[in-house]
Order: sequence, then structure tokens, then C-alpha cells
Amino acid sequence: KAGVTQTPRYLIKTRGQQVTLSCSPISGHRSVSWYQQTPGQGLQFLFEYFSETQRNKGNFPGRFSGRQFSNSRSEMNVSTLELGDSALYLCASSPSRGGGHSPLHFGNGTRLTVT
Amino acid sequence: GQSLEQPSEVTAVEGAIVQINCTYQTSGFYGLSWYQQHDGGAPTFLSYNALDGLEETGRFSSFLSRSDSYGYLLLQELQMKDSASYFCAAYNNDMRFGAGTRLTVKP
Repeated sequence: KAGVTQTPRYLIKTRGQQVTLSCSPISGHRSVSWYQQTPGQGLQFLFEYFSETQRNKGNFPGRFSGRQFSNSRSEMNVSTLELGDSALYLCASSPSRGGGHSPLHFGNGTRLTVT
Repeated sequence: GQSLEQPSEVTAVEGAIVQINCTYQTSGFYGLSWYQQHDGGAPTFLSYNALDGLEETGRFSSFLSRSDSYGYLLLQELQMKDSASYFCAAYNNDMRFGAGTRLTVKP
């Protein structure tokens, strides 16, 4: 079974631009979550999608948005990029919602650099 | 809200035992999970404690005490390949992670 696939792996953007990141979950997984990872900050929860609906959102500005398609693939968008948005963006999928008994399977992430 | 605290760094020698603690302040969470992340890699699931007590998976064990709002990951017979970052995580409508503990295993 293929793992979680994130594209692109690396991205360099300029302040003020926008960016779209893509995530293909493991086949059969319906829940997709997004995390921002920066050194020393761990994984900061962005949002979770399940059955094409956003189920929860972390403490990020409205510039961060996402969506999920009927095939469970997900995209996240960041508009008006700021230098502080430079980070590794991780996507994780799981078969269902519901916590630790449904472990998260992570992709290798997209490394975004904003200059 | 949810807050999970863990030490930022731990160092140990090959063959030793190390314990990584995690204290949390959260309400209504469903269990405590642990993830491992090697440099440049994706986090991978290690263990999950739904109830109080010890869960053992090979060289790794995880413990949870809800009354103390505390858990830990125990790594035995340390190997060089165990050098990585370890994250505790708690679920309450979504999974929240601690800032991670960087484990360095020395020969």
C-alpha cells in the first residue's frame, strides 16, 4: 500500500505570494490533517478534514486554508506569504477520526521557504 | 485547551535505558500517543495508551497516569538508530503534539 504522498517536496516563494500544497492520503483513509513544523515548536495543528468537511482548525490566521476532495486528497493554501511561514508542512492521514487508536500516517512533508 | 510538556533534549549511551516524560494540561483528551521522527523523515507512530498503565512493544514501552496528568516513553537497549526526536501527543477533537524531545544515543 502506498504511503501518504505530499507534493512538492520543496518550494521557494517570495513574500506576498500564495502557495498550494497537495496531499494524497493512504488509500481508504478518510481523515487528513495538516501540521506546521518549525525548529523547537514541534508540530502545530493547522486543520483536519474528514469526508470533505473541515472538522477542526488550529490557531492560525485566515491566510491558511484547505480543502478535501471526494477522493480524500487534500490541499492547503497559504495566501500573502510571510517570512514566518517558512516551515515544514506535514500531512497525515488516518482511516477514521477518533484519536490515538487510529494512528496518524505522515507524509514526508513539503519544505516551504519564504524569501 | 491542550498543552503537552516534554524535555527538549536527552542523551544516553548505547545499551542504556532512557525515559522521556510528558506532562499534559488538557481536558477531555482520549489517551496519549508517541511518535518518532528521524532527521529529514516523517513522524511515525510508536505507541498509544488509552488507559492508565504500561504498554509494551518490543524495546519500547509507554506509560500513562491520568490522575497525575503524566506519561512517559521508555526505550530499552538503546541503539544508535534510536537517535531521533520523540513527540507525545494527545487527542481531543484533533491530535495535538508536544514540542518534541531530541534523543542522542552515543557509542
